[in-house]
Amino acid sequence: DAGVIQSPRHEVTEMGQEVTLRCKPISGHDYLFWYRQTMMRGLELLIYFNNNVPIDDSGMPEDRFSAKMPNASFSTLKIQPSEPRDSAVYFCASSSDRGYMNTEAFFGQGTRLTVV
Amino acid sequence: SQQGEEDPQALSIQEGENATMNCSYKTSINNLQWYRQNSGRGLVHLILIRSNEREKHSGRLRVTLDTSKKSSSLLITASRAADTASYFCATDEGYGQNFVFGPGTRLSVLP
Repeated sequence: DAGVIQSPRHEVTEMGQEVTLRCKPISGHDYLFWYRQTMMRGLELLIYFNNNVPIDDSGMPEDRFSAKMPNASFSTLKIQPSEPRDSAVYFCASSSDRGYMNTEAFFGQGTRLTVV
Repeated sequence: SQQGEEDPQALSIQEGENATMNCSYKTSINNLQWYRQNSGRGLVHLILIRSNEREKHSGRLRVTLDTSKKSSSLLITASRAADTASYFCATDEGYGQNFVFGPGTRLSVLP
């Protein structure tokens, strides 16, 4: 498997524009996580899905952020409208559930978002 | 909120020395994991230790877990320049599949 694939790797956009980040998890994984990483706040969990269903979105900062997982192989994180303070590296990660045998998370390479 | 808190925030050592990083957490857990992040890259899983384990080894890595103190340590022996990275602990907060990361320790190994 090619691992978790995120696109784009870099995104520069103007304030007020809509931004869509994409993620393809590892095949067979039933958990998908979206994280945001900044120098000030570190690595923050935004939302995670289990079997395509959002389980916990309490980390989503505002209504401007939304995430979907229409099928097991694709997820999007959308910011509309974007603001300069959204500038960060956004990571997608996936993992599998073997009952209570907890497993590791596999991370994508991240999308570096810059909002000017 | 961040469950794990790594200590120290930054560590600088000479190649060949051992590096020890600590992690403290607040709630009960099922497992604790350590990850490494090289600059500009995603996180890579290093080792997982379950709540009923006290020590685990993987190559030059040794992880300990003290659930009574809600703390863990990561020891890297005979460090190399390639070990230069940020190291994060992650816990599941008892939920099993929710990974909550601490702020990390930045390790610099000088040649």
